[in-house]
Amino acid sequence: QQQVKQSPQSLIVQKGGIPIINCAYENTAFDYFPWYQQFPGKGPALLIAIRPDVSEKKEGRFTISFNKSAKQFSLHIMDSQPGDSATYFCAASHQAGTALIFGKGTTLSVSS
Amino acid sequence: GAVVSQHPSWVICKSGTSVKIECRSLDFQATTMFWYRQFPKQSLMLMATSNEGSKATYEQGVEKDKFLINHASLTLSTLTVTSAHPEDSSFYICSARDLAGWGEQFFGPGTRLTVL
Repeated sequence: QQQVKQSPQSLIVQKGGIPIINCAYENTAFDYFPWYQQFPGKGPALLIAIRPDVSEKKEGRFTISFNKSAKQFSLHIMDSQPGDSATYFCAASHQAGTALIFGKGTTLSVSS
Repeated sequence: GAVVSQHPSWVICKSGTSVKIECRSLDFQATTMFWYRQFPKQSLMLMATSNEGSKATYEQGVEKDKFLINHASLTLSTLTVTSAHPEDSSFYICSARDLAGWGEQFFGPGTRLTVL
């Protein structure tokens, strides 16, 4: 049973576009939702994270939108650049320090 | 920011040998570290949770006698793949939980293991 469903599997946008990646979770006990960025051959890097007491969090060009009632959260990348081309993973856990449940990942390609 | 290192970054070994991978939190203490395995173009699969000073907790289907985990200090956890076989070839990544703040998890750069 996949507890965190991520879509789309891949995404192509032009430079300056705003790619949106969506995740849905099933376990209502989850209360920590991070997003990671991974380049080929590298470990995932924490981008931004949110807790369900807020509906939106912004850090630089990255924004998380959170809908607790729908059990969904999404990542928006403003003014996307070719350097943003990577695989993005959403994740969830029921406490920040416990094991993360990952989505299957979204491969983003930003064309110049 | 929080930095996690892994050593080695890549290793090639013969079938039947054992390989040790180190995971270190460089600028913070981590009572809990996690070990993941990642196959090409797939997501991260949790193998085990490593707690400092106690036995690791393994996920279902992960052989604890094959993947030995030791978390001897607040900054170091090791994963030993014993009697490695070609099917153990994979990308192994550790993460460490930062005790400060939200307890975010920061990942190491990964170790590419190839078993011939």
